[in-house]
Amino acid sequence: SQKIEQNSEALNIQEGKTATLTCNYTNYSPAYLQWYRQDPGRGPVFLLLIRENEKEKRKERLKVTFDTTLKQSLFHITASQPADSATYLCAGRRRGSQGNLIFGKGTKLSVKP
Amino acid sequence: DVKVTQSSRYLVKRTGEKVFLECVQDMDHENMFWYRQDPGLGLRLIYFSYDVKMKEKGDIPEGYSVSREKKERFSLILESASTNQTSMYLCASSSSWMAGGNYGYTFGSGTRLTVV
Repeated sequence: SQKIEQNSEALNIQEGKTATLTCNYTNYSPAYLQWYRQDPGRGPVFLLLIRENEKEKRKERLKVTFDTTLKQSLFHITASQPADSATYLCAGRRRGSQGNLIFGKGTKLSVKP
Repeated sequence: DVKVTQSSRYLVKRTGEKVFLECVQDMDHENMFWYRQDPGLGLRLIYFSYDVKMKEKGDIPEGYSVSREKKERFSLILESASTNQTSMYLCASSSSWMAGGNYGYTFGSGTRLTVV
């Protein structure tokens, strides 16, 4: 079955460092991947979308890559701040449907001052 | 500010009750979705709809039904609530895949349902 996997449940880093989160897809090739931020008790908030023909996308301190050879997307937050602490979800467009999303389980990022 | 509004933040219901979860969006989006989110399992798609009166089963539709009588409203119905349906329920909407755009979902704040 089509899967989106985020193998790290949690990531702890120091303020000012770059956080790198990994998302892998298996058994299919998504037309695009999306990244969301989720704070406790709240719904996810859309951050970025990257298409399979794009290698890299940037938005302020965020950068996303899409590597179709490795079947992987990397999500970077540069100059991380404690306010970046949240769970980050990766999602891939499901093939063979109207394009709804398959979500990974998320990586909880903690940025320590 | 565009919004997806879920009618309740917290809900406690008894086993066997019929439960209605309401979701309204003000963005004129064609697509609407219901997910549930559980620790260790992530977000799982229950049902979705890409037009009024249309619905499609997601990955875990058993025990649920949906209704979309108007474009802005998508209701999730638990026909006979059971304790294993205790969860966080999230509604989302997005513009049509045909319309272009960034396809990002806009989520509601969620309804935490407890079935006792």
